[in-house]
This record gives sequence, structure tokens and C-alpha cells, in this order.
Amino acid sequence: EVQLVESGGGLVQPGGSLRLSCAASGFTFSSYDMHWVRQATGKGLEWVSAIGTAGDPYYPGSVKGRFTISRENAKNSLYLQMNSLRAGDTAVYYCARGYGGIPGYFDYWGQGTLVTVSS
Amino acid sequence: DIQMTQSPSTLSASVGDRVTITCRASQSISSWLAWYQQKPGKAPKLLIYKASSLESGVPSRFSGSGSGTEFTLTISSLQPDDFATYYCQQYNSYSPELTFGGGTKVEIK
Repeated sequence: EVQLVESGGGLVQPGGSLRLSCAASGFTFSSYDMHWVRQATGKGLEWVSAIGTAGDPYYPGSVKGRFTISRENAKNSLYLQMNSLRAGDTAVYYCARGYGGIPGYFDYWGQGTLVTVSS
Repeated sequence: DIQMTQSPSTLSASVGDRVTITCRASQSISSWLAWYQQKPGKAPKLLIYKASSLESGVPSRFSGSGSGTEFTLTISSLQPDDFATYYCQQYNSYSPELTFGGGTKVEIK
């Protein structure tokens, strides 16, 4: 059974940093592109970053230069390093497995981890 | 960036109704479109990919159609479990960036 379990969310001050993790199981992690998608309370879904099987990262303009996605295949883990956090980054962050190449779509999602940026 | 516009934003319907949700892309995305269902407090669930391909395990009352810039998600006979928010998502292969529609909330009438 495919499982994605996020961790690392919490309360952080504006300008601060946070590192999210996603533990994957039930599939060959190294063979799949992986993504982070976020959702502010009561709002829609926003793609945050992707990483290909070769470790190639992709970002939208809203987080480029502030967020860094990485993966550690030996540990079946995905990470998101978030720096220079702003109030607008407050959201539930989901880890998702990609399918169909980059950009692709998402066939499995984690349960999400809440990031709150506030003083 | 490719913008995705869903309509309506909210839809009130009864059990047994046929429901149609529309998603329009700001430029052609061929058939690179997915649909998701999300219930409160839960992660989205994939329903449809490549505009009309039904994900394994998804009930056949869900169907998708369209290509280019206009797409639809149809629920042929709305069931109690279907009251949720639905999102479309484009994944045009010409760009690594993907975008979601704003969502359509299907409510009980």
C-alpha cells in the first residue's frame, strides 16, 4: 500500500525557516517524481515544487529562491526547506507522488502538515 | 502561466442529479488535465487523468471529457458520498509548472 507521511510543520515567525519531510513507503520511491502542494485554509490548491527522479528541481515563481526541494532515495524521503517565510506561506503542505512525467498529475497524496507563519 | 477557470464555484444538487463541472484553460493544454475530489480535512483524491481516463477504483458514474481549452467533469447520478469540492489541474508538457482551477463545491440542495 502506498503511504506518504508528512512531518515538520509548526508555528514559525515571519522571516524564519522550516524543513518539511515526507516519508514514503509501499512503492519504489526512486522511480517516481515527487511534489509538494499547499492549501491555505478555505482556499484552493497551489503547486509548490517538484523533483524529478534525477533530482532535478522545479518551482513556481512564488517560492523560487526561498524554497528548496530535495530527496534522499536511500531513506525513501522527500524534503522541503522553506526559508524567508511569509504570512502568505501559511497552509497545509501535502506531499504527493507524481505520475506522467514533469509536470504530471498526482496519484497519491499524504495527509498534510500545517505550517503557520505568524509573530 | 496557464490559468485554469472552473465554473460554477458552488453547485447545489440533490442525490440522483446529473452534475456537470466545467474547467477552462487560458491556452490549449491538449488533453493534459486531471480532476480531483477533496472532502473537508482530507487530501485530494485523483478521479480522472488525461481528461477522460478514469483512475482505478473510481466509480463509473464519474466521467471526464474535453480537449484543448474546455473540459468537463460529469457525475451521472450524484450519490451522498459525492458531496465534496472538485478541482481540475493542468499539466501541459510544454512547461514544468502546473496549475489548479479554483475549485467547485458540490453542496446538498
